Amino acid sequence: AQRVTQPEKLLSVFKGAPVELKCNYSYSGSPELFWYVQYSRQRLQLLLRHISRESIKGFTADLNKGETSFHLKKPFAQEEDSAMYYCALLYGGGNKLTFGTGTQLKVEL
Amino acid sequence: GAGVSQSPRYKVAKRGQDVALRCDPISGHVSLFWYQQALGQGPEFLTYFQNEAQLDKSGLPSDRFFAERPEGSVSTLKIQRTQQEDSAVYLCASSVFLYNEQFFGPGTRLTVL
Repeated sequence: AQRVTQPEKLLSVFKGAPVELKCNYSYSGSPELFWYVQYSRQRLQLLLRHISRESIKGFTADLNKGETSFHLKKPFAQEEDSAMYYCALLYGGGNKLTFGTGTQLKVEL
Repeated sequence: GAGVSQSPRYKVAKRGQDVALRCDPISGHVSLFWYQQALGQGPEFLTYFQNEAQLDKSGLPSDRFFAERPEGSVSTLKIQRTQQEDSAVYLCASSVFLYNEQFFGPGTRLTVL
């Protein structure tokens, strides 16, 4: 069965420090992975998807099939990056997302 | 333009009551999804519609849960005889079609006493 694991519930970094939010997955099919973000008092929104290979708000994520990982990275954290981040896997023919438990990122001044 | 809206935003129910949660997707979006998010967890898939057809309801936790989208637009998630374990945030999402970005609503927080 498909599964997404985010090992850290809380990650605290200082402003300007690098950030890496970890995500590992298990899935027998060809994975399609996403990062969603939820800022305080806002709704869940898509940050990036691996097939786009984009950098959004300075964040990037590379799919590593060998390590079954899709870690989210940013070289220099900003205060406005503080939010809850969810890694998600698309499965079931493209109509279902399974989410990890989320990592709360706190960027301190 | 307006995003996905959900109502009510908060619902308190006594154990055993029936509740109905509404979702208004983005106009023109074919696909509509319901998720359940328990405290401290990520969202979990409940069911999926393509227009008015409910194509997948494998995530519904019991036969007390029922969803419909009769005209292919607004959707209602109904929970009969609510139990304390039903307490969660219920999220609705819509997308233009399969594989497109899912846009989420603000959620309905259900508390069952």
